Amino acid sequence: GAVVSQHPSRVICKSGTSVKIECRSLDFQATTMFWYRQFPKQSLMLMATSNEGSKATYEQGVEKDKFLINHASLTLSTLTVTSAHPEDSSFYICSASQPGLHNEQFFGPGTRLTVL
Amino acid sequence: DQQVKQNSPSLSVQEGRISILNCDYTNSMFDYFLWYKKYPAEGPTFLISISSIKDKNEDGRFTVFLNKSAKHLSLHIVPSQPGDSAVYFCAASDSGTYKYIFGTGTRLKVLA
Repeated sequence: GAVVSQHPSRVICKSGTSVKIECRSLDFQATTMFWYRQFPKQSLMLMATSNEGSKATYEQGVEKDKFLINHASLTLSTLTVTSAHPEDSSFYICSASQPGLHNEQFFGPGTRLTVL
Repeated sequence: DQQVKQNSPSLSVQEGRISILNCDYTNSMFDYFLWYKKYPAEGPTFLISISSIKDKNEDGRFTVFLNKSAKHLSLHIVPSQPGDSAVYFCAASDSGTYKYIFGTGTRLKVLA
């Protein structure tokens, strides 16, 4: 089946620093990747849609200058949280989709970000 | 504006019985629906999906029912097992954007 990995699985950083999270599709080429954020006991909220070779599309209320997304290849997308603050602490999950009838999404294991 | 809602935040069921998880949506453009199981600090695991051209899809112990007129879907798990204890999310998508909109989740606890 389609496997998506994320790295790191857990990161702790100081306020004001930047953190990069990688999302890789291991056994398929993903033309589109999605980034979600989940706060404790809440739903998965879509942050942005990333298409290979083009700029990401951000959902309303998500700051594109704070959450930089790069989708440089068909197997890798990165999310960089710039100048992180404690309120950015959350669980970040990526998904990758293959072209198809419903562009099925396959989810990564998530990255727990804690900003001190 | 929550387009996909799961009104029951939690559900407890005895082992062997049926678990019924419900999901309501508001956007009539949604034409594809999915159910995911999720453990804390892990990514969602796909369970089952249904296209809007169907009203039922079955896979082993899991059955999803779709009522388009009521904009309602449900997931039935029978028989329920303790290993089914997790948070279940429904998600909806439309063919135009392929974005998934997730519900708020229902925590299922299956009691041994």
